Amino acid sequence: EPEVTQTPSHQVTQMGQEVILRCVPISNHLYFYWYRQILGQKVEFLVSFYNNEISEKSEIFDDQFSVERPDGSNFTLKIRSTKLEDSAMYFCASSVWAGETGTQYFGPGTRLLVL
Amino acid sequence: TQLLEQSPQFLSIQEGENLTVYCNSSSVFSSLQWYRQEPGEGPVLLVTVVTGGEVKKLKRLTFQFGDARKDSSLHITAAQPGDTGLYLCAGSNFGNEKLTFGTGTRLTIIP
Repeated sequence: EPEVTQTPSHQVTQMGQEVILRCVPISNHLYFYWYRQILGQKVEFLVSFYNNEISEKSEIFDDQFSVERPDGSNFTLKIRSTKLEDSAMYFCASSVWAGETGTQYFGPGTRLLVL
Repeated sequence: TQLLEQSPQFLSIQEGENLTVYCNSSSVFSSLQWYRQEPGEGPVLLVTVVTGGEVKKLKRLTFQFGDARKDSSLHITAAQPGDTGLYLCAGSNFGNEKLTFGTGTRLTIIP
C-alpha cells in the first residue's frame, strides 16, 4: 500500500541553524501538507501546498518557514533559523483532493530537537 | 477558531468491555476523520465520515457522524489490548484544506 515517507526520522540541531525536513508524498496525490506536534500537545496545521505554491498557511508558519517541491517526488520544509520552541514532531501529509473530500495520509514524522 | 474536544481524555478498561469516545465541537465540519497514533509515529487513518448521521463500521469499531455534523463518536466492541493507542478526530471544512485536530483520547486496554 502506498505511503508517505519522511527523512530523517530524528534531527538534532543547534539553535539558529537551518534544517530541512524531507517528505515523499503518495505518488498520485496533488495536495501536500506539513503539521507539527509539540510533545504532549495537539497536532497543528502549518501549511498546505498545491500546484507548486502555498495554498493555505497558519499563524505558526512565519517567515522562518518555507516549503518547496524541488522535483517530482520530494516535498520539503525548511526552517531557516531554528528556535528552541521549534522542537516538535513534524508530520508531512498528502491527499488526492483538498477540503471535505480530501482524506489526508500522514507520514511517520521527523522528531526535531533544537538545543 | 474551530475547536474539537475529545472525551474522555484518558480511558482504561478491561479486555472484552465496550467503550465509546466522543469528539465534539460547536462548529460544523464538512467531514471528519478518525486517526490512531502510536507513540513516536504519525497518525494512521481509520475512517472518514462526510454525511450527517453517517455510520461506518471497521470490524469492531463503529464511527458515527452527528446529524448536525458537529460531533462524532467512536464505539469499540469487545476491546482488545491491540486497540490501545491515542485516538484522534480531525475535522475539515468547506473551502479549507487544513485539518483541525482534537485533543485526543488515550485508550488503554488491560489484558
